[in-house]
Amino acid sequence: GQSLEQPSEVTAVEGAIVQINCTYQTSGFYGLSWYQQHDGGAPTFLSYNALDGLEETGRFSSFLSRSDSYGYLLLQELQMKDSASYFCAVCHSWGKFQFGAGTQVVVTP
Amino acid sequence: DGGITQSPKYLFRKEGQNVTLSCEQNLNHDAMYWYRQDPGQGLRLIYYSQIVNDFQKGDIAEGYSVSREKKESFPLTVTSAQKNPTAFYLCASSDGPSSYEQYFGPGTRLTVT
Repeated sequence: GQSLEQPSEVTAVEGAIVQINCTYQTSGFYGLSWYQQHDGGAPTFLSYNALDGLEETGRFSSFLSRSDSYGYLLLQELQMKDSASYFCAVCHSWGKFQFGAGTQVVVTP
Repeated sequence: DGGITQSPKYLFRKEGQNVTLSCEQNLNHDAMYWYRQDPGQGLRLIYYSQIVNDFQKGDIAEGYSVSREKKESFPLTVTSAQKNPTAFYLCASSDGPSSYEQYFGPGTRLTVT
Protein backbone atom coordinates (compact mmCIF):
# COMPACT_ATOMS: atom_id res chain seq x y z
CA GLY A 1 0.00 0.00 0.00
CA GLN A 2 0.90 3.66 -0.05
CA SER A 3 1.92 5.31 3.20
CA LEU A 4 4.09 8.04 4.67
CA GLU A 5 5.54 7.66 8.13
CA GLN A 6 6.71 10.41 10.46
CA PRO A 7 7.60 10.48 14.16
CA SER A 8 4.65 11.60 16.25
CA GLU A 9 6.52 14.13 18.39
CA VAL A 10 9.89 15.83 18.71
CA THR A 11 10.95 18.09 21.58
CA ALA A 12 13.89 20.50 21.47
CA VAL A 13 15.10 23.71 23.08
CA GLU A 14 15.22 27.14 21.53
CA GLY A 15 18.20 27.58 19.23
CA ALA A 16 18.57 23.86 18.58
CA ILE A 17 18.29 21.96 15.30
CA VAL A 18 15.52 19.44 14.66
CA GLN A 19 15.24 16.91 11.86
CA ILE A 20 11.83 15.44 11.01
CA ASN A 21 12.05 12.30 8.93
CA CYS A 22 9.48 11.10 6.44
CA THR A 23 9.74 7.60 5.04
CA TYR A 24 7.35 6.49 2.39
CA GLN A 25 6.12 3.43 0.56
CA THR A 26 4.76 4.91 -2.60
CA SER A 27 5.98 5.47 -6.11
CA GLY A 28 5.33 7.58 -9.13
CA PHE A 29 4.91 10.86 -7.29
CA TYR A 30 5.96 14.28 -8.51
CA GLY A 31 7.74 15.34 -5.33
CA LEU A 32 7.71 15.69 -1.56
CA SER A 33 6.22 18.74 0.13
CA TRP A 34 6.28 19.95 3.73
CA TYR A 35 3.58 21.91 5.53
CA GLN A 36 3.39 23.59 8.93
CA GLN A 37 0.19 23.75 10.95
CA HIS A 38 -0.28 25.62 14.21
CA ASP A 39 -3.00 24.41 16.58
CA GLY A 40 -6.43 25.04 15.09
CA GLY A 41 -4.97 26.74 12.04
CA ALA A 42 -4.59 26.09 8.36
CA PRO A 43 -1.57 24.23 7.01
CA THR A 44 0.91 26.49 5.26
CA PHE A 45 3.39 25.42 2.62
CA LEU A 46 7.06 25.32 3.65
CA SER A 47 9.12 23.48 1.09
CA TYR A 48 9.12 21.16 -1.90
CA ASN A 49 11.61 18.68 -3.36
CA ALA A 50 11.02 17.54 -6.91
CA LEU A 51 14.52 16.13 -7.28
CA ASP A 52 16.87 14.35 -4.91
CA GLY A 53 18.96 16.63 -2.78
CA LEU A 54 18.71 19.52 -0.38
CA GLU A 55 16.50 22.59 -0.75
CA GLU A 56 17.15 25.49 1.61
CA THR A 57 14.64 28.18 2.52
CA GLY A 58 15.90 30.37 5.31
CA ARG A 59 16.03 28.45 8.59
CA PHE A 60 14.24 25.48 7.02
CA SER A 61 15.76 22.93 4.67
CA SER A 62 14.25 19.86 3.09
CA PHE A 63 15.86 16.79 1.62
CA LEU A 64 14.70 13.98 -0.64
CA SER A 65 16.25 10.67 -1.62
CA ARG A 66 13.98 8.69 -3.94
CA SER A 67 16.37 5.74 -3.97
CA ASP A 68 16.08 5.47 -0.18
CA SER A 69 12.34 6.35 -0.09
CA TYR A 70 13.18 8.97 2.47
CA GLY A 71 13.00 12.67 3.06
CA TYR A 72 13.43 15.07 5.94
CA LEU A 73 12.71 18.60 7.06
CA LEU A 74 15.46 20.37 8.99
CA LEU A 75 14.55 23.21 11.31
CA GLN A 76 17.51 25.31 12.41
CA GLU A 77 17.85 27.99 15.11
CA LEU A 78 14.57 26.85 16.61
CA GLN A 79 12.23 29.56 17.86
CA MET A 80 9.21 29.26 20.14
CA LYS A 81 6.96 30.11 17.18
CA ASP A 82 8.17 26.94 15.45
CA SER A 83 6.10 24.88 17.89
CA ALA A 84 3.57 23.33 15.51
CA SER A 85 2.75 20.19 13.59
CA TYR A 86 4.72 19.43 10.45
CA PHE A 87 3.39 17.24 7.65
CA CYS A 88 5.10 15.66 4.70
CA ALA A 89 2.99 15.11 1.59
CA VAL A 90 3.40 13.59 -1.84
CA CYS A 91 1.58 14.61 -5.00
CA HIS A 92 0.53 11.67 -7.08
CA SER A 93 -0.68 11.94 -10.64
CA TRP A 94 -3.80 14.00 -11.33
CA GLY A 95 -3.40 16.19 -8.28
CA LYS A 96 -4.14 13.59 -5.67
CA PHE A 97 -2.20 14.47 -2.53
CA GLN A 98 -1.32 12.13 0.31
CA PHE A 99 -0.25 13.45 3.71
CA GLY A 100 1.65 11.85 6.55
CA ALA A 101 0.12 11.82 10.05
CA GLY A 102 2.26 14.75 11.13
CA THR A 103 5.01 15.44 13.67
CA GLN A 104 4.31 17.65 16.66
CA VAL A 105 7.37 19.82 17.36
CA VAL A 106 7.55 21.19 20.88
CA VAL A 107 10.09 23.96 21.47
CA THR A 108 11.03 24.63 25.08
CA PRO A 109 12.82 27.70 26.50
CA ASP B 1 -6.10 40.04 -0.93
CA GLY B 2 -6.24 36.67 -2.62
CA GLY B 3 -7.07 33.61 -0.60
CA ILE B 4 -9.49 30.91 0.40
CA THR B 5 -12.46 31.46 2.66
CA GLN B 6 -14.42 28.84 4.48
CA SER B 7 -17.57 29.44 6.40
CA PRO B 8 -18.63 29.04 9.06
CA LYS B 9 -15.64 28.47 11.34
CA TYR B 10 -17.72 26.38 13.75
CA LEU B 11 -20.81 24.39 12.83
CA PHE B 12 -23.10 22.31 14.99
CA ARG B 13 -25.66 19.88 13.65
CA LYS B 14 -27.91 17.14 14.89
CA GLU B 15 -27.34 13.59 13.76
CA GLY B 16 -29.29 12.73 10.63
CA GLN B 17 -29.08 16.18 9.08
CA ASN B 18 -27.16 17.01 5.93
CA VAL B 19 -24.87 20.02 6.16
CA THR B 20 -23.02 22.00 3.48
CA LEU B 21 -19.62 23.58 4.09
CA SER B 22 -18.68 26.55 1.97
CA CYS B 23 -15.33 27.05 0.23
CA GLU B 24 -14.53 30.02 -2.01
CA GLN B 25 -11.22 31.05 -3.58
CA ASN B 26 -10.17 34.12 -5.53
CA LEU B 27 -6.74 32.87 -6.51
CA ASN B 28 -7.93 31.82 -9.97
CA HIS B 29 -6.76 28.30 -9.22
CA ASP B 30 -8.03 25.42 -11.32
CA ALA B 31 -7.75 22.68 -8.71
CA MET B 32 -9.61 22.53 -5.41
CA TYR B 33 -9.61 19.95 -2.62
CA TRP B 34 -11.44 18.92 0.52
CA TYR B 35 -9.66 17.26 3.42
CA ARG B 36 -10.77 15.91 6.73
CA GLN B 37 -8.54 16.12 9.80
CA ASP B 38 -9.19 14.25 13.04
CA PRO B 39 -7.40 15.05 16.31
CA GLY B 40 -3.72 14.15 16.18
CA GLN B 41 -3.97 12.88 12.64
CA GLY B 42 -2.96 13.97 9.20
CA LEU B 43 -5.12 15.20 6.38
CA ARG B 44 -7.22 12.72 4.48
CA LEU B 45 -8.48 13.57 1.02
CA ILE B 46 -12.26 13.52 0.57
CA TYR B 47 -12.77 14.93 -2.93
CA TYR B 48 -10.78 16.94 -5.42
CA SER B 49 -11.59 18.85 -8.57
CA GLN B 50 -9.16 19.76 -11.32
CA ILE B 51 -11.58 21.79 -13.40
CA VAL B 52 -15.10 23.17 -13.35
CA ASN B 53 -17.86 20.56 -13.62
CA ASP B 54 -15.47 17.73 -12.85
CA PHE B 55 -14.43 16.14 -9.55
CA GLN B 56 -12.90 12.92 -8.31
CA LYS B 57 -13.29 10.86 -5.16
CA GLY B 58 -10.42 10.86 -2.72
CA ASP B 59 -9.60 8.25 -0.13
CA ILE B 60 -12.64 8.78 2.13
CA ALA B 61 -15.47 10.00 -0.13
CA GLU B 62 -18.24 7.83 1.34
CA GLY B 63 -20.95 9.93 2.98
CA TYR B 64 -19.82 13.15 1.28
CA SER B 65 -20.79 14.94 -1.93
CA VAL B 66 -19.41 17.96 -3.78
CA SER B 67 -20.16 20.19 -6.74
CA ARG B 68 -17.97 22.43 -8.89
CA GLU B 69 -20.27 24.67 -10.86
CA LYS B 70 -17.95 27.67 -10.67
CA LYS B 71 -14.17 27.89 -10.70
CA GLU B 72 -14.07 29.79 -7.43
CA SER B 73 -16.48 27.61 -5.43
CA PHE B 74 -16.28 24.01 -4.21
CA PRO B 75 -18.92 23.29 -1.54
CA LEU B 76 -18.88 20.05 0.43
CA THR B 77 -22.04 18.38 1.71
CA VAL B 78 -21.71 16.06 4.68
CA THR B 79 -24.66 13.71 4.38
CA SER B 80 -26.43 11.72 7.05
CA ALA B 81 -24.76 8.64 5.59
CA GLN B 82 -21.38 9.76 6.95
CA LYS B 83 -21.01 7.64 10.07
CA ASN B 84 -18.60 9.84 11.98
CA PRO B 85 -18.85 13.39 10.62
CA THR B 86 -17.43 15.31 13.58
CA ALA B 87 -14.05 16.62 12.38
CA PHE B 88 -12.06 19.61 11.17
CA TYR B 89 -12.64 20.17 7.44
CA LEU B 90 -10.07 21.95 5.33
CA CYS B 91 -10.50 23.24 1.81
CA ALA B 92 -7.49 23.90 -0.39
CA SER B 93 -6.64 25.00 -3.90
CA SER B 94 -3.66 24.79 -6.21
CA ASP B 95 -2.67 26.21 -9.53
CA GLY B 96 -3.05 22.92 -11.33
CA PRO B 97 -3.15 19.16 -10.81
CA SER B 98 0.62 18.83 -10.70
CA SER B 99 1.27 21.94 -8.64
CA TYR B 100 3.15 21.05 -5.50
CA GLU B 101 1.88 23.96 -3.39
CA GLN B 102 -1.58 23.93 -1.93
CA TYR B 103 -3.20 26.95 -0.32
CA PHE B 104 -5.52 26.15 2.57
CA GLY B 105 -8.54 27.89 3.98
CA PRO B 106 -8.97 28.45 7.75
CA GLY B 107 -11.12 25.34 8.11
CA THR B 108 -14.57 24.52 9.47
CA ARG B 109 -14.90 22.58 12.70
CA LEU B 110 -18.06 20.48 12.42
CA THR B 111 -19.64 18.91 15.49
CA VAL B 112 -22.53 16.50 15.06
CA THR B 113 -24.42 15.33 18.15
